[in-house]
Amino acid sequence: GAGVSQSPSNKVTEKGKDVELRCDPISGHTALYWYRQSLGQGLEFLIYFQGNSAPDKSGLPSDRFSAERTGGSVSTLTIQRTQQEDSAVYLCASSAQARNEQFFGPGTRLTVL
Amino acid sequence: LAKTTQPISMDSYEGQEVNITCSHNNIATNDYITWYQQFPSQGPRFIIQGYKTKVTNEVASLFIPADRKSSTLSLPRVSLSDTAVYYCLVGDAGVSGNTPLVFGKGTRLSVIA
Repeated sequence: GAGVSQSPSNKVTEKGKDVELRCDPISGHTALYWYRQSLGQGLEFLIYFQGNSAPDKSGLPSDRFSAERTGGSVSTLTIQRTQQEDSAVYLCASSAQARNEQFFGPGTRLTVL
Repeated sequence: LAKTTQPISMDSYEGQEVNITCSHNNIATNDYITWYQQFPSQGPRFIIQGYKTKVTNEVASLFIPADRKSSTLSLPRVSLSDTAVYYCLVGDAGVSGNTPLVFGKGTRLSVIA
């Protein structure tokens, strides 16, 4: 079946603009994760959704970052008033349950000019 | 979340066995140990997961001593295509609560011809 998809694959924006990144998880997966990865660095956890539970937002770096997951499926990560330090690859992953293997999407490369 | 420590980088020649050790001194009773592999410009990919003793699959083996304070990922007879970053993760991943597995900086393995 289809894997995790993300859109757009690349996004270039100007400092101060808002951006929305989309993630379509694997159908039926209850857990969804957002990470970001700066060039040459490890993954930085941002937020985690599990079923109908309140999301774990402990990794969001500032209140400019927010995410929602509608209907337990598609998720949108929103970054308001983007800054140059927000430039990174934003990766989304889903898993059948929280403990299970995470399947990653191809990522969205965000560049803030 | 249990903190993990692994070498930043390792080099190996083709055909050799590579062992990457991860320390997780404060691992909890419910925690599992999971390893992921990431190639450049791709999202991480699940390799192997274990709780204790030894786990083996077609890709790798995972050795976990009785005290579970460390684990060793063993890659047999590496090839150039095994050049990647390897991440060690420790957590209950939602078994008891809703705590997700989070990635650290990983070990950058370079395989040399």
